[in-house]
Amino acid sequence: DAGITQSPRYKITETGRQVTLMCHQTWSHSYMFWYRQDLGHGLRLIYYSAAADITDKGEVPDGYVVSRSKTENFPLTLESATRSQTSVYFCASSEGGSNSPLHFGNGTRLTVT
Amino acid sequence: AQSVTQPDIHITVSEGASLELRCNYSYGATPYLFWYVQSPGQGLQLLLKYFSGDTLVQGIKGFEAEFKRSQSSFNLRKPSVHWSDAAEYFCAVAPSGAGSYQLTFGKGTKLSVIP
Repeated sequence: DAGITQSPRYKITETGRQVTLMCHQTWSHSYMFWYRQDLGHGLRLIYYSAAADITDKGEVPDGYVVSRSKTENFPLTLESATRSQTSVYFCASSEGGSNSPLHFGNGTRLTVT
Repeated sequence: AQSVTQPDIHITVSEGASLELRCNYSYGATPYLFWYVQSPGQGLQLLLKYFSGDTLVQGIKGFEAEFKRSQSSFNLRKPSVHWSDAAEYFCAVAPSGAGSYQLTFGKGTKLSVIP
């Protein structure tokens, strides 16, 4: 089925651990995004990618690393997790222009203890 | 830079009642405007969008929104709410002609529906 898949759905990790959240899309969309959703802050853009091997920072990139070696995958890595990174993370994709709607995955709920 | 304000954090309506969710934006020109809905435990889904032309746009699930340039508003409406409409609703704005990475979301309005 076409769509955007995130894994895992839930993750608990300890402070200081490295954790990678996966995102896979089957539409061949050019753009992919990572957002975090927190109470009181709404959705905030972490990183985005315009194409394979092209990534750029969003509003809140500190503590995160992304890569995009293939168009369909856009993993997000927390190199050394902190409690402030406890959040729900959403991956999204779009065709690119500001008139292109975003297609979201179902999210990963990450808890850092 | 553009910004979006959703003045109501939480709204409760009775099933069958009409609904209006408010959205105000700040942007120098006419932006692209969107409403997304998020059901519990799920990602956001596009309800409707406005780019240009007719200021009243129809979306999925019986929703509509009206763009009012003079008020910098893009309010979402539904004539008769169903229990399944209980969700969180996000208004979003993007500069026209820019990239979708420039989309800015409001903080959302949570809708509760009383049976």
